[in-house]
Order: sequence, then structure tokens, then C-alpha cells
Amino acid sequence: AQSVTQLDSHVSVSEGTPVLLRCNYSSSYSPSLFWYVQHPNKGLQLLLKYTSAATLVKGINGFEAEFKKSETSFHLTKPSAHMSDAAEYFCVVSDSDTGRRALTFGSGTRLQVQP
Amino acid sequence: EAGVAQSPRYKIIEKRQSVAFWCNPISGHATLYWYQQILGQGPKLLIQFQNNGVVDDSQLPKDRFSAERLKGVDSTLKIQPAKLEDSAVYLCASSLVTLTEAFFGQGTRLTVV
Repeated sequence: AQSVTQLDSHVSVSEGTPVLLRCNYSSSYSPSLFWYVQHPNKGLQLLLKYTSAATLVKGINGFEAEFKKSETSFHLTKPSAHMSDAAEYFCVVSDSDTGRRALTFGSGTRLQVQP
Repeated sequence: EAGVAQSPRYKIIEKRQSVAFWCNPISGHATLYWYQQILGQGPKLLIQFQNNGVVDDSQLPKDRFSAERLKGVDSTLKIQPAKLEDSAVYLCASSLVTLTEAFFGQGTRLTVV
């Protein structure tokens, strides 16, 4: 069975400072991992994805994440936060077993960016 | 490329009434998902289709929820009768068969009063 734990429900940073959103996963097989962002009253948008290629994945808007199998982690980072980054972020896992590719979402981390 | 289309965007109904949501996935996407997102939580899978066959409906409350995907394209999700706890955003997503990246629609916000 697959699962995701997002370690912080809320993260608050100042504009221009680094962002770290933490995610640990559990998967019986080789997982695919994703980060999605959800702005208020907007649909879910894919930030980046890991699918067993390079362990450091770069996404849109300056975000990146590193897959660490030994730590079962897939933390999301950004060197410098922007006001427009304020949103809900979801870490997502998909197992590559038996053709079942449904995405399992974490509970989300709300990022606040202070001016 | 057109995205995943959902309608309606908003719906308010009384408990015990029925409601239906519609989804049109991205053209060529064989896999279609319905997710339920309760306020303050991450989306939870209700049902997954591969073409017009059900792959996973283990978390679908089958006593009141039903879904179908006619001809492997559009899909409808129905709730009958609705309960207060069904108030949520219902998200439709689609993906290509061989890729796991899913594209989401804007969702339908359901309020049951």
C-alpha cells in the first residue's frame, strides 16, 4: 500500500527566504512522486514529478525536489519565496504495481509568504 | 490543448436529494479519476476508470455513489441520496495510460444543506 505524510500542515516564510516543504512516503514498489499546488479557487497544478530518472527534479516557478530512497523522502524546496507562492501544496505518490496508477495525496501544507 | 472540463462549478442541494456531476477528460486520455476533497484535506480517490472499465472503486460509497464512463470518454458521478458529509469539492482528472501524471479539472463544489 502507498501513503504520503506531509510533516507540516502550515509553513510561514518571509518573501525572499528559502522554502522547505517536507514529505515522506511509503510505497511497496518503485514509486512515482509528485508535488501539486492548489491556489484558492483554482485547480490542482503539477509542479514537478519524479519517475525513476534523476533524483533531483526541477519544476516550474523555481521549485525543485530531491528523491532520497534511503530516507523515503521527497522534500520540496525553493531558494527564494515569492508572494505568489502562497498556496496549498500536496505531495503525491503513485505505485507502479499491477497497473493501478491512482494518485495518493498527502494532507497538504499551506504555505504563507509574509511581505 | 484543452484541459479537463467539469460541470457544474457549484451546486447546492438539500440532504436526501440527488445530484450528478459531469467530466470531459483531455482527448486521448484513457484513464479517468474522480476524487473527493473535503475542506482542509487532500483529495481522496473515489473511482478510477481505464477506458470504460473500472480499475479501482474500493473507496466509493456504493450505497449512495455511482459513476459511469460512457464509451470511454465522458464520465458522470452521481450521489443519491446526498448526506451533509458529502459536502466537498469533486475533482475529475485524466491521464494517458502509460504515464502517471494526472491533469485535474477545476472541480465541482457541492454544498449539502
